[in-house]
Amino acid sequence: DVKVTQSSRYLVKRTGEKVFLECVQDMDHENMFWYRQDPGLGLRLIYFSYDVKMKEKGDIPEGYSVSREKKERFSLILESASTNQTSMYLCASSFWLAGASYNEQFFGPGTRLTVL
Amino acid sequence: AQTVTQSQPEMSVQEAETVTLSCTYDTSENNYYLFWYKQPPSRQMILVIRQEAYKQQNATENRFSVNFQKAAKSFSLKISDSQLGDTAMYFCAFMKLQGAGSYQLTFGKGTKLSVIP
Repeated sequence: DVKVTQSSRYLVKRTGEKVFLECVQDMDHENMFWYRQDPGLGLRLIYFSYDVKMKEKGDIPEGYSVSREKKERFSLILESASTNQTSMYLCASSFWLAGASYNEQFFGPGTRLTVL
Repeated sequence: AQTVTQSQPEMSVQEAETVTLSCTYDTSENNYYLFWYKQPPSRQMILVIRQEAYKQQNATENRFSVNFQKAAKSFSLKISDSQLGDTAMYFCAFMKLQGAGSYQLTFGKGTKLSVIP
């Protein structure tokens, strides 16, 4: 089974702190994604990466950065956390196979971040 | 840009009954995939069912089936013989296959389904 793990289930940080959220997948997937999930808004894509050291902005990249130094690991960084970044953060990964139906994304359990 | 609309924020169904969750989408693409994902309370999001746009036949996975109407841009999920374990948030998602943003998912806002004993 594909396994996507995230470093923390719950995290509490203070305004202005630098925050690192880690995601690791064990299926050699090329693509990795970071979403935030808010009630009534669904999932919104923050950043994604289709290869090591490659990244693309999603729909809401402001206030976030990412790092992908190894294929299995994708980190989300909040450079200076703010209260409006309190949210559930979901990581996902998928194969890259052009035109195939097996591009489904596999999700991690999520990190619920509270910024005080 | 694509949009996905789930018009039912919350629904409930009696155990063993059938329920249909609605999803509509807007796109100018002709080649794409559609997905339904399930997120149980405090658990990981998992794929329920997928549909390739080029296939006319509706996808089925055990008790889960879809009604895919390409011209109407509608993609509803039917759950038969509802079980308590079906209680979850359900998200409809769209994936385009060409051009900018391909292979990314665009999600609807979700429908919270409660199965009542």
